[in-house]
Amino acid sequence: EPEVTQTPSHQVTQMGQEVILRCVPISNHLYFYWYRQILGQKVEFLVSFYNNEISEKSEIFDDQFSVERPDGSNFTLKIRSTKLEDSAMYFCASSPGLAGYNEQFFGPGTRLTVL
Amino acid sequence: AQSVTQPDIHITVSEGASLELRCNYSYGATPYLFWYVQSPGQGLQLLLKYFSGDTLVQGIKGFEAEFKRSQSSFNLRKPSVHWSDAAEYFCAVGRNSGYSTLTFGKGTMLLVSP
Repeated sequence: EPEVTQTPSHQVTQMGQEVILRCVPISNHLYFYWYRQILGQKVEFLVSFYNNEISEKSEIFDDQFSVERPDGSNFTLKIRSTKLEDSAMYFCASSPGLAGYNEQFFGPGTRLTVL
Repeated sequence: AQSVTQPDIHITVSEGASLELRCNYSYGATPYLFWYVQSPGQGLQLLLKYFSGDTLVQGIKGFEAEFKRSQSSFNLRKPSVHWSDAAEYFCAVGRNSGYSTLTFGKGTMLLVSP
């Protein structure tokens, strides 16, 4: 069964460093998402991406964040200068269609720890 | 803006007993509603979803949920819990127009006692 994969599973970085979180969405999906979950808090939407453009972003997704689909399979989230408060579990998701009733398939997450 | 409330942070149920996890939502129109489960080290797996029609929806692993518009609720139920059901459960609401951004609740951790 096709699945969304994410690497690495755990990333530790120093405050101020750049990190890139990688995701491989399901191959025939067209819509991609990043969510994050700070420990003990809700899963929060960060950004959606379609046709090589950001479709929607939340207020969390500021200039420190960027997303890219560098090739036909990967979807990346970059944090330019990490802060302590960026420590969270980051989930990638993909879906085959746009409308709200399309299921989003989630990856296992990358736990980011900023020291 | 939509929101989701899961009032129980954690629940302990005996194996074989019935389960109900509560979810209340706030949304200005008929919502799209989802329940996801997350086992340790795993991603979020969809259990079931409601878009329209029959308000009682069946999902995987023997779960069901009932949409009650008058109560703005979408509670998850299972008649007999198995030890393997121990996990964290998330209720989510999606917009019925535009992009399919999901808004999640804080989650309920289910513990299953022998």
